[in-house]
Amino acid sequence: EIVLTQSPGTLSLSPGERATLSCRASQSVSSSYLAWYQQKPGQAPRLLIYGASSRATGIPDRFSGSGSGTDFTLTISRLEPEDFAVYYCQQYGSSPRWTFGQGTKVEIK
Amino acid sequence: QLQLQESGPGLVKPSETLSLTCTVSGGSISSSSYYWGWIRQPPGKGLEWIGSIYYSGSTYYNPSLKSRVTISVDTSKNQFSLKLSSVTAADTAVYYCVTSGGDYYGMDVWGQGTTVTVSS
Repeated sequence: EIVLTQSPGTLSLSPGERATLSCRASQSVSSSYLAWYQQKPGQAPRLLIYGASSRATGIPDRFSGSGSGTDFTLTISRLEPEDFAVYYCQQYGSSPRWTFGQGTKVEIK
Repeated sequence: QLQLQESGPGLVKPSETLSLTCTVSGGSISSSSYYWGWIRQPPGKGLEWIGSIYYSGSTYYNPSLKSRVTISVDTSKNQFSLKLSSVTAADTAVYYCVTSGGDYYGMDVWGQGTTVTVSS
């Protein structure tokens, strides 16, 4: 089973700052089947990034994903007020087929 | 555009079976997506994949839940469902139905979620 570890657990930043979120896998993730989601309180998660670096439909270009193998990064170039939320990475594997990281909370400093 | 809506009892007794339905609108469940699935989130915790059913009919379940889970599709009603047997308090969570255009493309459509509490 591939375990995803996200860091930091909480990121305290101000609007306009750059956010860098890390997702590390315990084994190599096949073919960059790595996705990122944003979740706001009381809402369902929203797909931001798939294939490690491709933005989902309607996602602003301040969100970008990168990485391969075991190390992946979600970058928010300039935080907008609506970006303060919890972010999860997710990978596709063999068993279990899908696993999530534990999440990184981006909070207002 | 596809939309998903979960429905089912909000309260289930311990040892009973949790049954949820996800109604698909904006497209046919027979042809609109690559797979349909369920995710859950216990109060204050992270996301857990429960299982998925593919367009081919193949099902995949989280090994930690496999002995208790069944996911099926009802094409006549444009719905898919989740059954989780022998529930305990640890199964209390918000349950989301999801869909995707392919394993590579992430889970791009989510229902709003439904809260299920396991309690006597």
